[in-house]
Amino acid sequence: AQSVSQHNHHVILSEAASLELGCNYSYGGTVNLFWYVQYPGQHLQLLLKYFSGDPLVKGIKGFEAEFIKSKFSFNLRKPSVQWSDTAEYFCAPPAGGSYIPTFGRGTSLIVHP
Amino acid sequence: DTEVTQTPKHLVMGMTNKKSLKCEQHMGHRAMYWYKQKAKKPPELMFVYSYEKLSINESVPSRFSPECPNSSLLNLHLHALQPEDSALYLCASSQEARTDTQYFGPGTRLTVL
Repeated sequence: AQSVSQHNHHVILSEAASLELGCNYSYGGTVNLFWYVQYPGQHLQLLLKYFSGDPLVKGIKGFEAEFIKSKFSFNLRKPSVQWSDTAEYFCAPPAGGSYIPTFGRGTSLIVHP
Repeated sequence: DTEVTQTPKHLVMGMTNKKSLKCEQHMGHRAMYWYKQKAKKPPELMFVYSYEKLSINESVPSRFSPECPNSSLLNLHLHALQPEDSALYLCASSQEARTDTQYFGPGTRLTVL
């Protein structure tokens, strides 16, 4: 089954600090990966996605992620976090098909003003 | 319109009740999903419909019964639930299964007494 793992479960930062959240995938073939964000009290929404092509992907709100095939990684980065980035962040493969994927465990990010 | 709507927002039911959760999207998406999310946990995929064909997660108890009346609607029928089934139930849709971005609804907060 397509699955991903996230190793940073709780991250606490001050505003303007840099952020990097790890995501590793454990499947071969065509690799599509997503980062979703869940702000407090809001819907899960897409932050960014990798399908193919340029391994450096830019998303909303200044986030970016780099797909590194040799490391089976798709880490999320932001050079300077804001208080409003406080949220749960999930890495995920695509859903559906003949197998059941699993979201990453998620990372709870708290940014102090 | 990139909205997935879910009703009701909140539901409280007893263990002998029968209730249904509803989900609707008008984006022309051909894949729809049900997820269960416990507090501080990632969403767990329960069911996938792709072109109105069901893919079943075998770990889902039979007290949960999905239905896809048409490509825009998705129901989750609930019967004889247990208190441990209390959770946020999320509906999502995507253009196609396996490859595309999922759009999530706000969820139904279910409490089983």
